[in-house]
Amino acid sequence: AQSVTQLGSHVSVSEGALVLLRCNYSSSVPPYLFWYVQYPNQGLQLLLKYTSAATLVKGINGFEAEFKKSETSFHLTKPSAHMSDAAEYFCAVSALKRGDKIIFGKGTRLHILP
Amino acid sequence: DAGVTQSPTHLIKTRGQQVTLRCSPKSGHDTVSWYQQALGQGPQFIFQYYEEEERQRGNFPDRFSGHQYPNYSSELNVNALLLGDSALYLCASSLPGQPTDTQYFGPGTRLTVL
Repeated sequence: AQSVTQLGSHVSVSEGALVLLRCNYSSSVPPYLFWYVQYPNQGLQLLLKYTSAATLVKGINGFEAEFKKSETSFHLTKPSAHMSDAAEYFCAVSALKRGDKIIFGKGTRLHILP
Repeated sequence: DAGVTQSPTHLIKTRGQQVTLRCSPKSGHDTVSWYQQALGQGPQFIFQYYEEEERQRGNFPDRFSGHQYPNYSSELNVNALLLGDSALYLCASSLPGQPTDTQYFGPGTRLTVL
């Protein structure tokens, strides 16, 4: 069975400050891990993904995440927050096989303070 | 090239009614997955269609059914609607022969059950 836990349903950071969104996963098989972003009234957009290659993964819009097997974590970071980063962020996990379903966390709402 | 499209955008139904939601995958994609996103929650996997057959199913009752057509478009049907079925329904499509990380999401259909 697979699951993800996102720590903090709401996170607030000041514009220009570091963004850190936390995600821990559980998987009985080697996982694919993802971060998705959802803007209001829109679908999901893939930010980045880990697929068993490099443990530090760079994504779009300046985001990156590090896969730490020993900590079963896949935290999302961005060095400097922009107002446009305000959105809902979802961590997700899937098994390493074609077309497997994606298991999502409950999401973290990121607020950017001016 | 159009991405994943879904119709309708919004829908209001009453308890006990039946509803059909539609999804057109991204051009060249052959696999369609459906997810339910309740307010304040992460998306939950309903089922996946490939080659016109249901390949995987999440923990949803038989009231939820689907179909995939030869052109790869898909429908999600929900019978005997309950208030708890109110949610954003997301469709995602995948490239043939590619792993999970290439799922592209549509903007969703917002279903309200009164």
